[in-house]
Amino acid sequence: EVQLVESGGGLVKPGGSLRLSCAASGFSFSTYAMNWVRQAPGKGLEWVSFISDRASYYADSVKGRFTISRDNAQNSLFLQMNGLRADDTAVYYCARGGGCTGDTCYYPDRWGQGTLVTVSS
Amino acid sequence: DIRMTQSPSTLSASVGDRVTITCRASQTISSWLAWFQQKPGKAPRLLIYKASTLQGGVPSRFSGSGSGTEFTLAISSLQPDDFATYYCQQYNSFPWTFGQGTKVDIK
Repeated sequence: EVQLVESGGGLVKPGGSLRLSCAASGFSFSTYAMNWVRQAPGKGLEWVSFISDRASYYADSVKGRFTISRDNAQNSLFLQMNGLRADDTAVYYCARGGGCTGDTCYYPDRWGQGTLVTVSS
Repeated sequence: DIRMTQSPSTLSASVGDRVTITCRASQTISSWLAWFQQKPGKAPRLLIYKASTLQGGVPSRFSGSGSGTEFTLAISSLQPDDFATYYCQQYNSFPWTFGQGTKVDIK
């Protein structure tokens, strides 16, 4: 069974840092691109970052502050968040899949349950 | 960035009704569109990908159509479990973008 389990969320002061993790199981993690998607309280979904074996991308709202990485040996995805701001407050989901190769583009087919990040003084 | 615009924002319907939700992209995305269902406190659940392909395990009362810039999600006969918020998402190019969501509630 495919499972994605996020952890690392919590309360942090503005300007602070946090590192989120996503533990993957039930599939060949190294062969999939991965993403972080967030949802502010009461708001819609916002894509944050993507990583494959060849590339990584970021939303403009987090570029230069967040860094996505992965450890295929540990089946884990990470999001290092620095310079946190109040508007980064959200539930952060990891999601499997994405990117385009040849004539095919891939969609996020499995999501974790999310971890809440609250940025407040 | 590609803007995704959903309508309506809220939809009130009864069990058994047929409902449709529209999603428009600001530029062509071919058929690289997904639909998600989300219930309060839960992660999004993939319903449809490539505009019209039903994800495994999703009831056949859900269907998707469209290509280019205009897309539709239809629920043929609304069931109690279908009251939720629905999002479209383009995965044609980064940054991925989502519609603002359509909340389907009980009339």
